[in-house]
Amino acid sequence: EADIYQTPRYLVIGTGKKITLECSQTMGHDKMYWYQQDPGMELHLIHYSYGVNSTEKGDLSSESTVSRIRTEHFPLTLESARPSHTSQYLCASSEKGHDNSPLHFGNGTRLTVT
Amino acid sequence: AQSVAQPEDQVNVAEGNPLTVKCTYSVSGNPYLFWYVQYPNRGLQFLLKYITGDNLVKGSYGFEAEFNKSQTSFHLKKPSALVSDSALYFCAVRDGNTGKLIFGQGTTLQVKP
Repeated sequence: EADIYQTPRYLVIGTGKKITLECSQTMGHDKMYWYQQDPGMELHLIHYSYGVNSTEKGDLSSESTVSRIRTEHFPLTLESARPSHTSQYLCASSEKGHDNSPLHFGNGTRLTVT
Repeated sequence: AQSVAQPEDQVNVAEGNPLTVKCTYSVSGNPYLFWYVQYPNRGLQFLLKYITGDNLVKGSYGFEAEFNKSQTSFHLKKPSALVSDSALYFCAVRDGNTGKLIFGQGTTLQVKP
């Protein structure tokens, strides 16, 4: 079973609301990632972190922001949700210093903005 | 630039038959290659990886993958498909410069009884 947890699993929210998607892992992994998965099922990296107080933007431009205050926690925030943010958001983690270590994924948050 | 391609959007196979899901890659340097599976409403699960060594890599749930350097391919295989193998499969390559994983567009595997 996964040791990386995402909450909520499903979220329906109105336009303009602020939301935070939670992601926590208990494996002590230094590297954490957020992917956006569109309806065509492709995965796009939107944010990543290689450790506490380290965050970087990914390959796909996103209006969301992230923070990494604790190793185990990597929340993603949307200040003002829009319908274009409707998507599935997947959080993942991996060990630091091992380029061949696989990613561990959470079960995702499916966000719908009305 | 590093990239990975999965040329088939969907693969259909009958239960008990062998299956192949195709993946080709483009990297500079040695490739680190991965296969992941995604079941409905779930995150991705790691299946197997190729780093170095034997070209045939064995992974979870009876899956294996064959690394072919001359064809720059890393096809996923299973000798006998199960209905429960029906899922979305992603091939990925690690970017040697950034360390990030680059995913293919995914292939839906449909195994019919």
